[in-house]
Amino acid sequence: DTAVSQTPKYLVTQMGNDKSIKCEQNLGHDTMYWYKQDSKKFLKIMFSYNNKELIINETVPNRFSPKSPDKAHLNLHINSLELGDSAVYFCASSRGTGSQNQPQHFGDGTRLSIL
Amino acid sequence: SQKIEQNSEALNIQEGKTATLTCNYTNYSPAYLQWYRQDPGRGPVFLLLIRENEKEKRKERLKVTFDTTLKQSLFHITASQPADSATYLCALDGSSSNTGKLIFGQGTTLQVKP
Repeated sequence: DTAVSQTPKYLVTQMGNDKSIKCEQNLGHDTMYWYKQDSKKFLKIMFSYNNKELIINETVPNRFSPKSPDKAHLNLHINSLELGDSAVYFCASSRGTGSQNQPQHFGDGTRLSIL
Repeated sequence: SQKIEQNSEALNIQEGKTATLTCNYTNYSPAYLQWYRQDPGRGPVFLLLIRENEKEKRKERLKVTFDTTLKQSLFHITASQPADSATYLCALDGSSSNTGKLIFGQGTTLQVKP
């Protein structure tokens, strides 16, 4: 069974469109994250939710809006897509809020390409 | 400024040799450091966590050291195999309140040749 699953795996769309990426974890974890990995492979945190509460909100354009309907799901909605949004977006989860003793489990990413 | 750097983007070694990857950080005081493996088209997979009061941690053929004076962690793979070829990422908690805000290095891509 997949622990952290993201859909879709690939997303190709036009500039200016609005799109969503979904993430679900079946590990019973309390905390979920969104990361962006750019073309140079740098992995940067964007958001984190603990039990549906936002706890990390990095300097990300407000076109990006995470939503956590329950602690097993964290979706990412992106408005007015721009060329610079092209990247691989990873969802992750972990137990608790602190990372001490708590490795993060990652999904396999959503590759977003803006035309 | 705060930085976390892995010493090389790519490392090529012969099968059977020991691979040593370096992670250096500046202006952080992490209580622990984590290492992940990432294969092409896949998400990072957790390998090891080492705390500041631990000098060394081992797991099968993997060994991690953590020197808070040098602000450096070394990641060793002994008796390397072609299947160890991947990108290895180090990460530390970049927050002051243990919120799980992992800051990742840029990764070192290891290629083990048969």
